[in-house]
Amino acid sequence: GESVGLHLPTLSVQEGDNSIINCAYSNSASDYFIWYKQESGKGPQFIIDIRSNMDKRQGQRVTVLLNKTVKHLSLQIAATQPGDSAVYFCAENVNTGNQFYFGTGTSLTVIP
Amino acid sequence: EPEVTQTPSHQVTQMGQEVILRCVPISNHLYFYWYRQILGQKVEFLVSFYNNEISEKSEIFDDQFSVERPDGSNFTLKIRSTKLEDSAMYFCASSEARGSVQPQHFGDGTRLSIL
Repeated sequence: GESVGLHLPTLSVQEGDNSIINCAYSNSASDYFIWYKQESGKGPQFIIDIRSNMDKRQGQRVTVLLNKTVKHLSLQIAATQPGDSAVYFCAENVNTGNQFYFGTGTSLTVIP
Repeated sequence: EPEVTQTPSHQVTQMGQEVILRCVPISNHLYFYWYRQILGQKVEFLVSFYNNEISEKSEIFDDQFSVERPDGSNFTLKIRSTKLEDSAMYFCASSEARGSVQPQHFGDGTRLSIL
C-alpha cells in the first residue's frame, strides 16, 4: 500500500522570542534523552542531553526539562535566531543498549 | 570539531543491485551505528557495532544487510539485492565508549535512491 509521511508538528516564532518544543516519549524505562536538530539535507546534530537522574539541564541558549512522571521532555531555546530554524527530534534510550528511538520531530520556523 | 563523514552523498542504484555505503566515524569513538530515515518518516535504528561485532540490531536489519569495519577508519553498510523500499537517507553515527551510553554523533547521510 501507499506509505504516508508523518505530519510534523510545526512551531513558528518571531526572532528574539523564546521557543518551547515538546516531546512525549514512549518508554517509562528510558533513562537517557537527547535533543537533536536536523537542518535540511543534513544529519541530526546533537544539541543537549539529559539523564533520568536530573529534571533540568542547561546549555548555551538551550534548556532541557524532563518530567518522568508524565513521560515528557521539552527543549527551550532562548532568544531564537533564524539559524535555529530546523526540525527538532527528541531521542530516548533505555540503558540496556545503545539504540535510540527517535520521535516524530517538530519543525521550527523563525520569522525574522 | 571532529565529525562523522559519509560517502557518497547520493547513490542511485538499480533494483536488485548491491550497494555499499561508507562512513568514517570520529577517530576516538568505538561504537558505530547505522540509522535510516525514509522520506517524511522517523529516524530508525538499524544496527550498532562494537569491538568488531554487531552489538544490537533492529528487525529492519535482516539478512539483506551487513556491516563491516574493513580497516581502522572506515565503517560500511552493505545492502544486497536492493528493493524499491530501501530508498531512504542512511545515517552513520558514532559514540565514545564509557560506562554509560554516550551521545551519538551523526554524519550528513547518504541518500539512497533505488530505481
